[in-house]
Amino acid sequence: GENVEQHPSTLSVQEGDSAVIKCTYSDSASNYFPWYKQELGKRPQLIIDIRSNVGEKKDQRIAVTLNKTAKHFSLHITETQPEDSAVYFCAPNNQAGTALIFGKGTTLSVSS
Amino acid sequence: NAGVMQNPRHLVRRRGQEARLRCSPMKGHSHVYWYRQLPEEGLKFMVYLQKENIIDESGMPKERFSAEFPKEGPSILRIQQVVRGDSAAYFCASSAEQGAESPLHFGNGTRLTVT
Repeated sequence: GENVEQHPSTLSVQEGDSAVIKCTYSDSASNYFPWYKQELGKRPQLIIDIRSNVGEKKDQRIAVTLNKTAKHFSLHITETQPEDSAVYFCAPNNQAGTALIFGKGTTLSVSS
Repeated sequence: NAGVMQNPRHLVRRRGQEARLRCSPMKGHSHVYWYRQLPEEGLKFMVYLQKENIIDESGMPKERFSAEFPKEGPSILRIQQVVRGDSAAYFCASSAEQGAESPLHFGNGTRLTVT
């Protein structure tokens, strides 16, 4: 089955800095690559996604880049703010396209 | 436009009892997914259902766990004879399109505590 790893597991930055989280996956058939944000005690929420026919996608301060050959995709957050503090999960879909397989998460802490 | 509704938010059961978790998908969504989250861990896929059909249950334990999504009413995740290891947050998600190639919308979860 799909093996998903995220790095780093924790990330601490100063407000205004950039943050990058990398996700590697094993299933070459994966074709959908979302990132979810989960604040403490709350539900996961989609923040950005990308499909396999696109290399990069931006939405204001957030961007996702995809390298299908190397089987990894990354979340980029620029000009970080304290409200960006949360756990971020990558979740590529599995070969059958029946589930998103979540990584273990990256805890981002933004200090002001 | 109501989102994914899960109830109860918190559920306490003693060992050996049954737990029933309910999920109503977003309006217009006919695809439901159940995930389990242990403290400080990611979400582990359990089962994917469409109306009246289980599409993929590869992540669900073979014993004590079952799921359904009837023609009418919410999806139900049922855990029989609960044990302490079943304590976790159970999240339901729904999507409008078939398969996991589109955004999943999550409910607020049911936090199950087994005493």
